[in-house]
Amino acid sequence: AQSVTQLGSHVSVSEGALVLLRCNYSSSVPPYLFWYVQYPNQGLQLLLKYTSAATLVKGINGFEAEFKKSETSFHLTKPSAHMSDAAEYFCAVSPPLSSYGKLTFGQGTILTVHP
Amino acid sequence: SQTIHQWPATLVQPVGSPLSLECTVEGTSNPNLYWYRQAAGRGLQLLFYSVGIGQISSEVPQNLSASRPQDRQFILSSKKLLLSDSGFYLCAWGAQGGKAEAFFGQGTRLTVV
Repeated sequence: AQSVTQLGSHVSVSEGALVLLRCNYSSSVPPYLFWYVQYPNQGLQLLLKYTSAATLVKGINGFEAEFKKSETSFHLTKPSAHMSDAAEYFCAVSPPLSSYGKLTFGQGTILTVHP
Repeated sequence: SQTIHQWPATLVQPVGSPLSLECTVEGTSNPNLYWYRQAAGRGLQLLFYSVGIGQISSEVPQNLSASRPQDRQFILSSKKLLLSDSGFYLCAWGAQGGKAEAFFGQGTRLTVV
């Protein structure tokens, strides 16, 4: 069985500050990992994914995440927050070679950006 | 390019009424299809998935059912809605043997009153 834990249901940063959203996973095999963003009353948009290639993954909108097997983590970062980054972020996991799209999600982290 | 359409965007239904939410995918064939539900503060829960026409797997027991009458059409239904069925329903597709991620529709906000 696999699971995802997102540490911190709410994160608040100032515009221009570093964004760090934490995600830890539990999986019996090296998983595939994803970060999605959701704006109010909209669907989820894929930010980035890790599928066993490079451990540092770059995504859209300046976000990146690093897969650390020893720490079972896949934290999402962005060097400088923008007001438009305010949204809810979800970390998700799936076992490799599974039915693609069958994901297990974390509880989500709401990011607030202050001017 | 692939697109996914989901409707309606919002729906208010009385308790005990039926439900039908529809999702269609364009630009791909033989996709895996998924229904997720998002309740406030509880993340996303996978309800059903389908790997082909007429093939439906349920992840959790509930008052809902799903059907896949065509390759790129996925329908979520209920015969009698409960208050607890309220939530944000998201349809998604994934490519078989593809890139592992899911692509989501815009969602349906269902309020049962």
